[in-house]
Amino acid sequence: RKEVEQDPGPFNVPEGATVAFNCTYSNSASQSFFWYRQDCRKEPKLLMSVYSSGNEDGRFTAQLNRASQYISLLIRDSKLSDSATYLCVALIYNQGGKLIFGQGTELSVKP
Amino acid sequence: NAGVMQNPRHLVRRRGQEARLRCSPMKGHSHVYWYRQLPEEGLKFMVYLQKENIIDESGMPKERFSAEFPKEGPSILRIQQVVRGDSAAYFCASSGGNEKLFFGSGTQLSVL
Repeated sequence: RKEVEQDPGPFNVPEGATVAFNCTYSNSASQSFFWYRQDCRKEPKLLMSVYSSGNEDGRFTAQLNRASQYISLLIRDSKLSDSATYLCVALIYNQGGKLIFGQGTELSVKP
Repeated sequence: NAGVMQNPRHLVRRRGQEARLRCSPMKGHSHVYWYRQLPEEGLKFMVYLQKENIIDESGMPKERFSAEFPKEGPSILRIQQVVRGDSAAYFCASSGGNEKLFFGSGTQLSVL
């Protein structure tokens, strides 16, 4: 079983749509969580951290449910520029710390 | 303040040759991570190093792959006797010891 699993993609949505990505993790040693964005297999870039209380950054809302080992990302009012692969990431504090990436979910926003 | 620098951006090797990938972390960062991304797959953790020490190499293949982060100079990921299956994008990331990692632009390795 993969340590971090994401919804299979791709997601094809029209501009202005709301889209939600889900992610589950299996390693209880996972301490922190993030969403990264990757464009065309370039370097991943941090989108936002994820907290149990939920956090919002503009059109993006992230949520963590530790009891269910579940993470989500909600994008409201999708823009063409949101088209990318979204990576769910867990930080595991075991032998130092390392980021474990999900396989990514591709989002394509159409006009 | 320069970001994480990786070179070369593209590296072409024939089967059996050696590949050396370099990573200079951000200024002030002493933690370096290497990830590999195969075509159509996600990023896979390979190794985590601090200056002169390998902290976690649980993602490194047992043979042909090695990594170092010397006291002076960049971190090096070395692949000996490359095979076609080694063709991938190799990303380096650095941190100052907190949770935020900054990634380099990657090295695309192509094995002919």
